[in-house]
Amino acid sequence: EGQLVESGGGLVQPGGSLRLACEASGFTFSYYAMNWVRQAPGKGLEWVSGIGGSGGTTYYADSVKGRFTISRDNSKNTLYLQMNSLTAEDTALYYCAKDNLGDFYYYGLDVWGQGSTVTVSS
Amino acid sequence: DIQLAQSPSSVSASVGDRVTVTCRASQGIGSWLSWYQQKPGKAPKLLIYAASSLQSGVPSRFSGSGSGTDFTLTITSLQPEDFATYYCQQAHTFPSTFGQGTKVEIK
Repeated sequence: EGQLVESGGGLVQPGGSLRLACEASGFTFSYYAMNWVRQAPGKGLEWVSGIGGSGGTTYYADSVKGRFTISRDNSKNTLYLQMNSLTAEDTALYYCAKDNLGDFYYYGLDVWGQGSTVTVSS
Repeated sequence: DIQLAQSPSSVSASVGDRVTVTCRASQGIGSWLSWYQQKPGKAPKLLIYAASSLQSGVPSRFSGSGSGTDFTLTITSLQPEDFATYYCQQAHTFPSTFGQGTKVEIK
C-alpha cells in the first residue's frame, strides 16, 4: 500500500519561506500523481496542490497560486512543497497524499502521511 | 472553482442507525467524487471513489451513490468506530475541492 512521511514544518514569520518534503516508500512513486492537502486548526480539509507522476503537470488552489511550488524527485521518491510569502492563513497541518489508482487524480487519495505542522506567526 | 456543500453539518445517531450524508456540487462533476472519513488526530481515510466504488478494505456498510451534482454517502447500521467527520472531494476540475465536512456524533 505504501507509506508517506512528511518533514520540514515549523514556525516561520509572516512573509517567510519554508519547504516541506514527503518521502514515499512501498510503491512505485513515479507511477502516481501526488497531492498536498492542508487542514487549519479545528477546520476542514483544503486541497493545496497536485503534480503528475512525471512532474510535468502541476495544479494549485487559488489561495496558494503564485506563492507555492510543488515538485518531485522521482529518483529520491520525494515530493516537495516550496512555500513563499507565508501568511497566518497558511498555518495548518500539511498532508501529502497519493493518488489511488495512478496518474489520474479522479479516483481519490488512498495513502496519506501523518502531516507536518506549519505555523506562521511573529 | 467548484463548490461542494455537505449536509447536514453534523448529525447525532445511535449504534445501529442508518446515516445519510449529502454532497451537492455547484456544477456537474460526472462521477468524480470521493468520500473520506477522518477521526481526531488522524489523517483522512478514503472510503469511496468514483462516487460509488468501495475502496479496498472498507466495510460494506459504507456505500456511495449519485452523479452530476448530487451525491450521497450512506452508512447502514452505524458502528462505534464510525463516529467521525466525513468529507467529500471532487477532482473533476482543478482546483480540486473538499466539502466542509459532516460530523457524525453519538446520540
